[in-house]
Amino acid sequence: AQSVTQLDSHVSVSEGTPVLLRCNYSSSYSPSLFWYVQHPNKGLQLLLKYTSAATLVKGINGFEAEFKKSETSFHLTKPSAHMSDAAEYFCVVNPGFQKLVFGTGTRLLVSP
Amino acid sequence: GAVVSQHPSWVICKSGTSVKIECRSLDFQATTMFWYRQFPKQSLMLMATSNEGSKATYEQGVEKDKFLINHASLTLSTLTVTSAHPEDSSFYICSARTGFGTDTQYFGPGTRLTVL
Repeated sequence: AQSVTQLDSHVSVSEGTPVLLRCNYSSSYSPSLFWYVQHPNKGLQLLLKYTSAATLVKGINGFEAEFKKSETSFHLTKPSAHMSDAAEYFCVVNPGFQKLVFGTGTRLLVSP
Repeated sequence: GAVVSQHPSWVICKSGTSVKIECRSLDFQATTMFWYRQFPKQSLMLMATSNEGSKATYEQGVEKDKFLINHASLTLSTLTVTSAHPEDSSFYICSARTGFGTDTQYFGPGTRLTVL
């Protein structure tokens, strides 16, 4: 079965410090992996996508994620958090079918 | 590019009435559109998948007679919540895929439905 585990329901950082949001996946196939961000009462915005071209994927707003097959992980990082980064982040896998499998989300809190 | 809009952004209706939500792909043709439901502080739950010109495929447990989906054109899909009840109150989000050869979905901004 395909699944996505976001290890932290909440992550709190101070503005200007690094961000790490953790994601592990389980897939029988070579999956596509995504990170989406959702601000309150908004839809989901695509941050980045992994499709096997390169293990380090750069996304928008300074975010990047590294695909590690041996660890079945796809953690999202950013060197320096901004207040505007406070939102809900979803790790998503497409195991080869047309349905996406969503993680439970991680709420990022950024304090001044 | 790849912008998806939804209308309305929020709606309040009385119990027993029907509500229609529109999902449009503004700058691309969407062969496949998806409808999700999101409860507070939870992840998205896929309700149905619709391909242009075909009947929608509903997920297990989703009542197809209550949640009517129409995907009549490559840029428009509609979700009609029929005979709405307070338990149907939720945040409904649509997404669209640009083609069969891609798996990236672009999401609309969502519609907040409140049934009184």
